[in-house]
Amino acid sequence: AQKVTQAQTEISVVEKEDVTLDCVYETRDTTYYLFWYKQPPSGELVFLIRRNSFDEQNEISGRYSWNFQKSTSSFNFTITASQVVDSAVYFCALSVYTRGSRLTFGEGTQLTVNP
Amino acid sequence: EAGVTQFPSHSVIEKGQTVTLRCDPISGHDNLYWYRRVMGKEIKFLLHFVKESKQDESGMPNNRFLAERTGGTYSTLKVQPAELEDSGVYFCASSQEGLGMMGEQFFGPGTRLTVL
Repeated sequence: AQKVTQAQTEISVVEKEDVTLDCVYETRDTTYYLFWYKQPPSGELVFLIRRNSFDEQNEISGRYSWNFQKSTSSFNFTITASQVVDSAVYFCALSVYTRGSRLTFGEGTQLTVNP
Repeated sequence: EAGVTQFPSHSVIEKGQTVTLRCDPISGHDNLYWYRRVMGKEIKFLLHFVKESKQDESGMPNNRFLAERTGGTYSTLKVQPAELEDSGVYFCASSQEGLGMMGEQFFGPGTRLTVL
């Protein structure tokens, strides 16, 4: 069975602080994909990143960066110099080859960035 | 290009009533998914259509839920009769054919269902 754990239910930071959102996943499949989605107050889920299990290279996109470590089954997300507009619920998700394209989500982390 | 749209945005019904949710995927997307988030928990998969065929419906909670996708375009999810535990936010997502596994699933804004 697949499982995604986001242990941080809520995080509150002050603007310009760096913040890391943790994601730990469980799967016995060797081929899988990891995702991060952002859910702003408007409600829709916005795709941020996709990573496959064979690519452990970390990625940086502007103020966002992702650290994928297979040894610890983690796919953490860091926002550098956070801004108020980063306030949202962030979901980590997993898709495994043997279960088609369905996504298994974590419970989400509510990030609040205060001015 | 229009994104995934869902209707209604909110629905409040009484226990025992019927509700039908609608999802219009992005034009040309053969893959359509339904997910549900209950009480601030994780978002859970319900089912997956490829065109008009149900590819995977293993996440459907019980036979009170019926999903259809006539002509491979829009999809409906009917709950009949609704129970209190059906309350939550129902998300629809779509992706291009053949890319469902690797590609991005585009999500709609969700329908918030409240069963009283």
